[in-house]
Amino acid sequence: NFMLTQPHSVSESPGKTVTISCTRSSGSIASNYVQWYQQRPGSAPTTVIYEDNQRPSGVPDRFSGSIDSSSNSASLTISGLKTEDEADYYCQSYDSSNAVFGGGTQLTVL
Amino acid sequence: QVQLVQSGAEVKKPGASVKVSCKASGYTFTSYGISWVRQAPGQGLEWMGWISAYNGNTNYAQKLQGRVTMTTDTSTSTAYMELRSLRSDDTAVYYCARGAIATRFDPWGQGTLVTVSS
Repeated sequence: NFMLTQPHSVSESPGKTVTISCTRSSGSIASNYVQWYQQRPGSAPTTVIYEDNQRPSGVPDRFSGSIDSSSNSASLTISGLKTEDEADYYCQSYDSSNAVFGGGTQLTVL
Repeated sequence: QVQLVQSGAEVKKPGASVKVSCKASGYTFTSYGISWVRQAPGQGLEWMGWISAYNGNTNYAQKLQGRVTMTTDTSTSTAYMELRSLRSDDTAVYYCARGAIATRFDPWGQGTLVTVSS
């Protein structure tokens, strides 16, 4: 099994842009899609990005996703930060027989 | 709208079993898989496995092999996850989500808290 490594926490001010990274330990990041989930306290996760860079309907275009084969990582970028974006964010990918989540990143908007 | 509604919280003693249900509505149940994910208190998400609602094929996380069984009842559009030989570190919120290994998990159920305590 591979692992997905995320920073434990990030913080940024309202209106700014933040990027959360997700590095795959083995196997190519480009081989399997990456999803990103937002989880607010006490709530179930919801999808903010799927298939590397696709936004579900209802997710604002302030959220974007990308992958970088050179660093074998995926990134979630949130621009024009709002206090409502404060949450935990998890990346997720898979191989032939397992789905794997990153450890999660706590985003603080202060 | 697509919705997954899970059964209520459970308290179990170590060594017991628990069975959590997940009732789907708003879509053709047999067209999608159901995945199960758990989250220990203050911890991250852990994928447990998934089941095809079409043919019942399953794939479990290696660390849970032998202790977990996932099933579906297509007549009621309900998925079940049974975990046996419970230990204190199985205390977690258990979520079901529509989706298979290679698809997004969306939507998620509201979660079921399972507490394992003597």
